[in-house]
Amino acid sequence: NAGVTQTPKFRVLKTGQSMTLLCAQDMNHEYMYWYRQDPGMGLRLIHYSVGEGTTAKGEVPDGYNVSRLKKQNFLLGLESAAPSQTSVYFCASSYPEGTGVFDTEAFFGQGTRLTVV
Amino acid sequence: SQQGEEDPQALSIQEGENATMNCSYKTSINNLQWYRQNSGRGLVHLILIRSNEREKHSGRLRVTLDTSKKSSSLLITASRAADTASYFCATEDSNYQLIWGAGTKLIIKP
Repeated sequence: NAGVTQTPKFRVLKTGQSMTLLCAQDMNHEYMYWYRQDPGMGLRLIHYSVGEGTTAKGEVPDGYNVSRLKKQNFLLGLESAAPSQTSVYFCASSYPEGTGVFDTEAFFGQGTRLTVV
Repeated sequence: SQQGEEDPQALSIQEGENATMNCSYKTSINNLQWYRQNSGRGLVHLILIRSNEREKHSGRLRVTLDTSKKSSSLLITASRAADTASYFCATEDSNYQLIWGAGTKLIIKP
């Protein structure tokens, strides 16, 4: 199993350009997440999905859109990139185990380093 | 806003010593998890402790949870150079979302 795969790994955008980050997981996980990590900080949740066809806003959703058309894929879009979106983006997935949705660990991709100039 | 807050922000110790990191949180939780992040890489899950557990071990890792104080500690015994990394705590809230702290940067000196 590949786990969680993010593409691309690196990208440089000009202000105003758009792009899509792709996250793919092969673990049949229900939940998927997009985070951003800025220097010296923890992870901040951008958007997440609890199942195919569903998405929800996280802590810092402005300037981003997402789609989960297939269970294994979670796309993060930047419609008009801004320098403030320079960051490292991480995708993660998790699956409710046991009798409920408790005690899940998250599996992470290797990150996408995005620079907006 | 970040619920978990790790303490200290940075820790530098000699190889072979024990390293202790703390995490505090604000609201009720389902569980608390610790992750490690090597420089430039994704996060890797280390250990999970449920809200009704007080202590858990995994190899050289020992995690404690005090729900009355809303705090947890991660102890790494007999540290190795390979333990150099950033360590994050994450709390799972009642909506099953993980809320992250800013991390502790651990440096093991040879």
